[in-house]
Amino acid sequence: GAVVSQHPSRVICKSGTSVKIECRSLDFQATTMFWYRQFPKQSLMLMATSNEGSKATYEQGVEKDKFLINHASLTLSTLTVTSAHPEDSSFYICSASLGPGQYFGPGTRLTVT
Amino acid sequence: GQQVMQIPQYQHVQEGEDFTTYCNSSTTLSNIQWYKQRPGGHPVFLIQLVKSGEVKKQKRLTFQFGEAKKNSSLHITATQTTDVGTYFCAGTGSNYKLTFGKGTLLTVNP
Repeated sequence: GAVVSQHPSRVICKSGTSVKIECRSLDFQATTMFWYRQFPKQSLMLMATSNEGSKATYEQGVEKDKFLINHASLTLSTLTVTSAHPEDSSFYICSASLGPGQYFGPGTRLTVT
Repeated sequence: GQQVMQIPQYQHVQEGEDFTTYCNSSTTLSNIQWYKQRPGGHPVFLIQLVKSGEVKKQKRLTFQFGEAKKNSSLHITATQTTDVGTYFCAGTGSNYKLTFGKGTLLTVNP
């Protein structure tokens, strides 16, 4: 099956710093990737749709200047949380579509102190 | 906007009992997908239903898509401890976006 990797799996950063999360499709090309955020014991909230070679499409309420998305190649999308604050602490998951269904990365646990 | 509601939020069963989770959309869906997320893990795609009234089976799991394409269910027969996890439905609406339900956390007592 399709494999999506995500790095890092866990990151702890200080308030005010920026963190970059990478999402890679390992065995297929993904023109579109998705970034979700998941709070403990809650559902996945779509943050943005990342399109290779063009600007990401952000969901309502998601600040594009705070959550920078770059999809520079068919196998890599990055999410940068800029000037992170404790309220940004969450589980961030990316996914890519290949046929029916989405294939999710293992997620990144971000903790901002 | 499109909303997908899922019940129950939690379900605890004895091993061997059956389990069902229900999903209801505020709008007609083009398809519905089901995912399973183990504790500490990430969602794993289980299946997609597209046709009105469609029923699909995967071993002990039975998935149904309603005639109006607004509701769906996942039924597990004779649960096992390996079935533990959160089951999410996710619907694709006219905007082509996937909207997730809040999930049903299933725990199984051995």
